[in-house]
Amino acid sequence: DVKVTQSSRYLVKRTGEKVFLECVQDMDHENMFWYRQDPGLGLRLIYFSYDVKMKEKGDIPEGYSVSREKKERFSLILESASTNQTSMYLCASSLPQNKPQHFGDGTRLSIL
Amino acid sequence: SQQGEEDPQALSIQEGENATMNCSYKTSINNLQWYRQNSGRGLVHLILIRSNEREKHSGRLRVTLDTSKKSSSLLITASRAADTASYFCAIHGGSNYKLTFGKGTLLTVNP
Repeated sequence: DVKVTQSSRYLVKRTGEKVFLECVQDMDHENMFWYRQDPGLGLRLIYFSYDVKMKEKGDIPEGYSVSREKKERFSLILESASTNQTSMYLCASSLPQNKPQHFGDGTRLSIL
Repeated sequence: SQQGEEDPQALSIQEGENATMNCSYKTSINNLQWYRQNSGRGLVHLILIRSNEREKHSGRLRVTLDTSKKSSSLLITASRAADTASYFCAIHGGSNYKLTFGKGTLLTVNP
């Protein structure tokens, strides 16, 4: 079974901090994705990566950056955390050609 | 927008009953996928149906796709309390890597 592991289930940070969310997958998937999920808004794509060192902006990239130095790891970075970035963050991975995505259990991030 | 829209937003049924959820979208698609999310957890892929397919089955799940009406339905037969979750449709509509998710249907199955 594919396993997508997010480093923290719950995280509390302060405004202005630089925040790193880590995601690791163990199935050699090419594609990796970061979403945020908010009540009433569903899942929104922040960034995705289709290869090592490759990245593309999703629908809401402002205030975020990503890093993919190794195939199995995809990091989401909040450059200067703000309270409106309080959310559930979900990482996913997939094979190419639009195969199903496999999700981690999410990180519930609170920015105070 | 390619976003799918699920209907209803919430559904409450008794164990043993069937549950039907619908998804409508606005553009052409390559495929449509259904996912389940238990409270506080990540999403789990249930089933993928391609644009040239009309119906797929997986266990107690049946998915239909009507591209002329730009709609899909997910039927869960003989529901169980463990089916309580949010269900999302996701649209793959273009040549890129993106899936666009709807806002989900919250299904509650009462024992």
